[in-house]
Amino acid sequence: KAGVTQTPRYLIKTRGQQVTLSCSPISGHRSVSWYQQTPGQGLQFLFEYFSETQRNKGNFPGRFSGRQFSNSRSEMNVSTLELGDSALYLCASSLQGRGETQYFGPGTRLLVL
Amino acid sequence: DQQVKQNSPSLSVQEGRISILNCDYTNSMFDYFLWYKKYPAEGPTFLISISSIKDKNEDGRFTVFLNKSAKHLSLHIVPSQPGDSAVYFCAATTTSGTYKYIFGTGTRLKVLA
Repeated sequence: KAGVTQTPRYLIKTRGQQVTLSCSPISGHRSVSWYQQTPGQGLQFLFEYFSETQRNKGNFPGRFSGRQFSNSRSEMNVSTLELGDSALYLCASSLQGRGETQYFGPGTRLLVL
Repeated sequence: DQQVKQNSPSLSVQEGRISILNCDYTNSMFDYFLWYKKYPAEGPTFLISISSIKDKNEDGRFTVFLNKSAKHLSLHIVPSQPGDSAVYFCAATTTSGTYKYIFGTGTRLKVLA
């Protein structure tokens, strides 16, 4: 079974631009979560989608948004990029998102200049 | 409020010896715990998990211990190998409802040959 895939793997943007990241979960997984990892901060939860609905949300500004499609693929959008948005963005999927093992993709490394 | 804490940012261990990584949590609703291993520029890889109905789970060289009264879990790696050098994250969630996964800030393990 193919793992979680994320595209693109690397991205360079400038301040003020917007970016869209994509995540394809493991086949059959309906829950997709997004995390931001910065040095020393661990993995900060952004949001979780299940059946095309945002079910959980972390403490990030409204510039961070996401959506999920009927095939469970998910996208994350960051508008008006700031230097502090430079990070590794990770996507994880699980079957139902109810206390199960989450499996992570390789991440998208975003650099904002 | 950091609900999952890994108080040791780094740990060095000699090859062949035991590595013990620790994690503390504060939320008594957490009943499912996971350990992930992460190499630079890659997504976290699931290692082992434990449900709160157990106090120990073993998988090869990896054993996770859970002390519910102390709200403490630990990951033991025996024997440690140079390939185990990575950042280890513990995570906690609840199997009731749709609570998000909370990650610690990670412990960097270095296994010395």
